[in-house]
Amino acid sequence: AQSVTQPDIHITVSEGASLELRCNYSYGATPYLFWYVQSPGQGLQLLLKYFSGDTLVQGIKGFEAEFKRSQSSFNLRKPSVHWSDAAEYFCAVGPRASGGSYIPTFGRGTSLIVHP
Amino acid sequence: DAGVTQSPTHLIKTRGQQVTLRCSPKSGHDTVSWYQQALGQGPQFIFQYYEEEERQRGNFPDRFSGHQFPNYSSELNVNALLLGDSALYLCASSLGQGDFGSPLHFGNGTRLTVT
Repeated sequence: AQSVTQPDIHITVSEGASLELRCNYSYGATPYLFWYVQSPGQGLQLLLKYFSGDTLVQGIKGFEAEFKRSQSSFNLRKPSVHWSDAAEYFCAVGPRASGGSYIPTFGRGTSLIVHP
Repeated sequence: DAGVTQSPTHLIKTRGQQVTLRCSPKSGHDTVSWYQQALGQGPQFIFQYYEEEERQRGNFPDRFSGHQFPNYSSELNVNALLLGDSALYLCASSLGQGDFGSPLHFGNGTRLTVT
């Protein structure tokens, strides 16, 4: 069965500092990987996705993630954090299920706190 | 272009009661998935509807049921509510059962509190 581990429940960074959020997955084949962001009182918004090809994926809002098969990781990075980036971040893995649908399995999330 | 809309935004129910949550998908989308997000947890998949049929189901009891209408909107019904059903319920829409070219678009959710 597929699973996602986000080892950090909370991450605190200063505005302008760099950010890396960790994600490890367990899946028997080449995974489809996603990062979503959830602001307070909001639904989830897709930041980026990896299906195949270049292992460094660029997303919205200046985020990027790198797929490392040998480490079963898909860490999210941003070179300079803005106060508006404070939110909950979810990593997800999702294979193509039967019938063509995919059902992402989400990690428990990492809460990002940004200090001024 | 309207995104995914859910109603109501908040709901308070008593144990044993029944509840219905509603979702209108993003314009142009035909597939609706429902997720339960408990406090401090990631979303858990409940089920997915496409062409008015339940296509995939997560590990949820039969108390959780749904429906999709010809206009692609959907309802989530929960019977015999338990305290543990208190959560944020998220609806996500996509095109063609979540083809990878069409990622999930989430609504803002319905916060259900069971007392």
